[in-house]
Amino acid sequence: DVKVTQSSRYLVKRTGEKVFLECVQDMDHENMFWYRQDPGLGLRLIYFSYDVKMKEKGDIPEGYSVSREKKERFSLILESASTNQTSMYLCASSLHQGIGREKLFFGSGTQLSVL
Amino acid sequence: QQQVKQSPQSLIVQKGGISIINCAYENTAFDYFPWYQQFPGKGPALLIAIRPDVSEKKEGRFTISFNKSAKQFSLHIMDSQPGDSATYFCAASIVLTGGGNKLTFGTGTQLKVEL
Repeated sequence: DVKVTQSSRYLVKRTGEKVFLECVQDMDHENMFWYRQDPGLGLRLIYFSYDVKMKEKGDIPEGYSVSREKKERFSLILESASTNQTSMYLCASSLHQGIGREKLFFGSGTQLSVL
Repeated sequence: QQQVKQSPQSLIVQKGGISIINCAYENTAFDYFPWYQQFPGKGPALLIAIRPDVSEKKEGRFTISFNKSAKQFSLHIMDSQPGDSATYFCAASIVLTGGGNKLTFGTGTQLKVEL
């Protein structure tokens, strides 16, 4: 069964800390995405990557960066966490081309609380 | 700006009833319109999707109706069951210049089906 695994289900950090959220997929997908989910705002795209060492800004990249050193792993970095970054973070992956390329596979999410 | 507008924010339906969730979009470059279903503690999962060259797609109790001229689409859940209680997100997809697809999500509808 296809799988997107996020390293932590819950995370509590302090303001100003550097935070790493890790995501691994086992489907050999080229594309990987980071979304944040907030009540009433839906899912908003932070960053995405369609190849190793490639990254593209999504709709709300401010305050975040990403790293993709290996195809299966995509990391989201909060350089200096702030309380407004308290949210559910969802990682997803998809094929780059061909049939099924539009379908995203999501991880179960990481609920980050910044105090 | 919200490129995909979704309503209602929440919905309560009696068991056996019809659940209807509506979405509207602005960008005519969108070429794929999926619905994702999310249960508590899980990531969203693809439920059903439609392309703009058809007006309706049905899979079991789930139907998407699509109105290209009005730039609107809706999800109908027939014979709604308590197990359908979840959050539903509409989305619209656009092909990226570098390949792959980028999804823009609506704000979500929390559906509760009561006995």
